[in-house]
Amino acid sequence: DAGVIQSPRHEVTEMGQEVTLRCKPISGHDYLFWYRQTMMRGLELLIYFNNNVPIDDSGMPEDRFSAKMPNASFSTLKIQPSEPRDSAVYFCASMADRGPYEQYFGPGTRLTVT
Amino acid sequence: DQQVKQNSPSLSVQEGRISILNCDYTNSMFDYFLWYKKYPAEGPTFLISISSIKDKNEDGRFTVFLNKSAKHLSLHIVPSQPGDSAVYFCAASGRNFGNEKLTFGTGTRLTIIP
Repeated sequence: DAGVIQSPRHEVTEMGQEVTLRCKPISGHDYLFWYRQTMMRGLELLIYFNNNVPIDDSGMPEDRFSAKMPNASFSTLKIQPSEPRDSAVYFCASMADRGPYEQYFGPGTRLTVT
Repeated sequence: DQQVKQNSPSLSVQEGRISILNCDYTNSMFDYFLWYKKYPAEGPTFLISISSIKDKNEDGRFTVFLNKSAKHLSLHIVPSQPGDSAVYFCAASGRNFGNEKLTFGTGTRLTIIP
């Protein structure tokens, strides 16, 4: 298995632009998570899905952020409009619907908003 | 409010010696704890976990200790090797809010000195 795949690996955009991050989870995994990593707050859970259904989006910072999972093999995290404070590394992770609740992370997308 | 705290942002240890990374949590409903390891430009990878019914779990050079009364866990690496240089994240979850949802600490950067 190729593991969790994220694209792009790096994204540089100007303030106000729309940004779309993409994730392909490990085949057969039932859960998909989006995290944001910053120096100050470490790894923050933004939203997660179970069987393509959003379960908890309480970590999404504001309405500028949205996430979708149209099928079991694809998810997107969209920021519109982007702001400089959104600059961070965004990780996608997936997990099977059984213990021991080990999440598998993708390599991350480093987003820079200027 | 950080429910999982890693108060040491960095730690340097001589090769061959013991590395001890610490983690504190505030939510008494957490009952499952994990350590993840992260290399630069990669996603975190699962290292070791422990359930609250245990106070110790060992896997090769890695041992995790849990002190429930103190709400404290630690990761011991013996002996430390140069390849152990990475950022280590402590994470916690609980049955009451879905074992799949992890709360991460801010990480400790471990540097092994050859």
